[in-house]
Amino acid sequence: GENVEQHPSTLSVQEGDSAVIKCTYSDSASNYFPWYKQELGKRPQLIIDIRSNVGEKKDQRIAVTLNKTAKHFSLHITETQPEDSAVYFCAASMGNFNKFYFGSGTKLNVKP
Amino acid sequence: DTAVSQTPKYLVTQMGNDKSIKCEQNLGHDTMYWYKQDSKKFLKIMFSYNNKELIINETVPNRFSPKSPDKAHLNLHINSLELGDSAVYFCASSQGARNTEAFFGQGTRLTVV
Repeated sequence: GENVEQHPSTLSVQEGDSAVIKCTYSDSASNYFPWYKQELGKRPQLIIDIRSNVGEKKDQRIAVTLNKTAKHFSLHITETQPEDSAVYFCAASMGNFNKFYFGSGTKLNVKP
Repeated sequence: DTAVSQTPKYLVTQMGNDKSIKCEQNLGHDTMYWYKQDSKKFLKIMFSYNNKELIINETVPNRFSPKSPDKAHLNLHINSLELGDSAVYFCASSQGARNTEAFFGQGTRLTVV
């Protein structure tokens, strides 16, 4: 099965700085890569996703890049704000029934 | 107007008991899921139903039995609860079952004592 590794497990940045979270996957058949944000005690929510036919996608302060050859993808958050503090999960799917394989999560702390 | 709702939100029970968690979605989605999040926050899929048919059944003890009476509901019944079942269980739904956003419920924190 697919194996998704996520780094770092914790990340602390100063407000206004950028944050980068990296994930690698093992199965080249994976073709959909969503990122979910989970605030403390709340549900995971999709913040951005990318499909394998695209190398980069941006939505305001959030961007995701995908390198299919190296089998890794990254989340970039610019101009971080305290409300960005949360646990972020990457995931990979081969398109078979939305069977997401999640990374282990990154706890992002944005210090005001 | 909650999109995906689960009940109960908290569940504390003794080992050996049988319990159920209910999930309902009002998004008109045709696919629903159960995920388990352990104490280390690791999220793992357990089951998925598409149009009431089971399409994903991960390596889960058969003490766990999902039931989907219709497309809007997916319940999870757990028999003979064990300490290791303690976790947060999330229900989710999506429209379509391939490469689409999954909307999660607020979670059910199950504590087995």
